[in-house]
Amino acid sequence: DVKVTQSSRYLVKRTGEKVFLECVQDMDHENMFWYRQDPGLGLRLIYFSYDVKMKEKGDIPEGYSVSREKKERFSLILESASTNQTSMYLCASNPLWGNTGELFFGEGSRLTVL
Amino acid sequence: KNEVEQSPQNLTAQEGEFITINCSYSVGISALHWLQQHPGGGIVSLFMLSSGKKKHGRLIATINIQEKHSSLHITASHPRDSAVYICAVKSGSRLTFGEGTQLTVNP
Repeated sequence: DVKVTQSSRYLVKRTGEKVFLECVQDMDHENMFWYRQDPGLGLRLIYFSYDVKMKEKGDIPEGYSVSREKKERFSLILESASTNQTSMYLCASNPLWGNTGELFFGEGSRLTVL
Repeated sequence: KNEVEQSPQNLTAQEGEFITINCSYSVGISALHWLQQHPGGGIVSLFMLSSGKKKHGRLIATINIQEKHSSLHITASHPRDSAVYICAVKSGSRLTFGEGTQLTVNP
């Protein structure tokens, strides 16, 4: 079974802190994604990566950056957390080749910024 | 208007009832996904459709490309089916998600 693991299920941070959200997948997938999920808005794409050291902005990249130094790991970084970044963050992956389009999601990281 | 609209937003049913969740979209798509999200956050892919109908256990998904509409049906519903069901459409390289339908099945 594909496993996508997010490092923290729940985090509480203060405004201005630097926040790292880590995501690791064990199926050698090329594509990895970071989404945030908010009530009434559904899932929105922050960034995605289709290869090591490659990244593309999604729909709402402002206030975020990402890092993909190894194929299995995709990190989301909040350089200076703000209260409007309080949200559920979901990581997902899928293969580039033979891609059926199915996404494999992690369990989510619920971030609260005070 | 959102590109992907789901109805209803909330649905409460009694155990055993037949349930239908609807998804309408406004763009040309190559595929449509139905996802399930349990309390706590994890999302599981249920179906990916590009035409016709798929069945898995008590779950059935249909899509009508001409009408830009899909339905997810649950037969003989059970309390463990309680979750948020999310429709997502694939257009080009982009996935657009609906807001989800919160389903509660009471014993």
